[in-house]
Amino acid sequence: ETGVTQSPTHLIKTRGQQVTLRCSSQSGHNTVSWYQQALGQGPQFIFQYYREEENGRGNFPPRFSGLQFPNYSSELNVNALELDDSALYLCASSAPQGGNEQYFGPGTRLTVT
Amino acid sequence: EDQVTQSPEALRLQEGESSSLNCSYTVSGLRGLFWYRQDPGKGPEFLFTLYSAGEEKEKERLKATLTKKESFLHITAPKPEDSATYLCAVHAQGGSEKLVFGKGTKLTVNP
Repeated sequence: ETGVTQSPTHLIKTRGQQVTLRCSSQSGHNTVSWYQQALGQGPQFIFQYYREEENGRGNFPPRFSGLQFPNYSSELNVNALELDDSALYLCASSAPQGGNEQYFGPGTRLTVT
Repeated sequence: EDQVTQSPEALRLQEGESSSLNCSYTVSGLRGLFWYRQDPGKGPEFLFTLYSAGEEKEKERLKATLTKKESFLHITAPKPEDSATYLCAVHAQGGSEKLVFGKGTKLTVNP
């Protein structure tokens, strides 16, 4: 069974640029959630995708957007990067019959300079 | 608003010294409480899900318990490899599928 994978591992961007992060869900999972984790904090929910549609969103501005593809993989796009966007971005997948047990990938470390 | 508070923020134990981590939560209705382990620079690793007060789950040296207001993660005779940050999260009723996390407890076990 393949776990959740994310790419890239690390990324350095300049303020104002745009970034795309990618996630492949665990085998058998059709729901993907994205979280932002600042240093020393718990993960904060960005949004969730189920069957290619957004299924809930946290308190993040519209410049954070996402997609889910027919194979259940997902992308997180962030436009107009700000210094405060520097964080570990985590993707988690889950199965609808799994009691919302979410399994996380290794994360993408984004640094905005 | 759903809230999760974990205590202590940091805990240092000697190898073999048992202790407990606390997770207090305030939610409109609890659908599930989750414990994760996170090593530095890595994604959280799923440990347990608890659904109702009185429920208990065990895995090796870890035991999680749940009441109507809090959950405890008991660590029995810890080893240095148990050193990590332990995160607690809740899934609340109301239609959203998000998990609300606490800030975590950083556990260090010295040999």
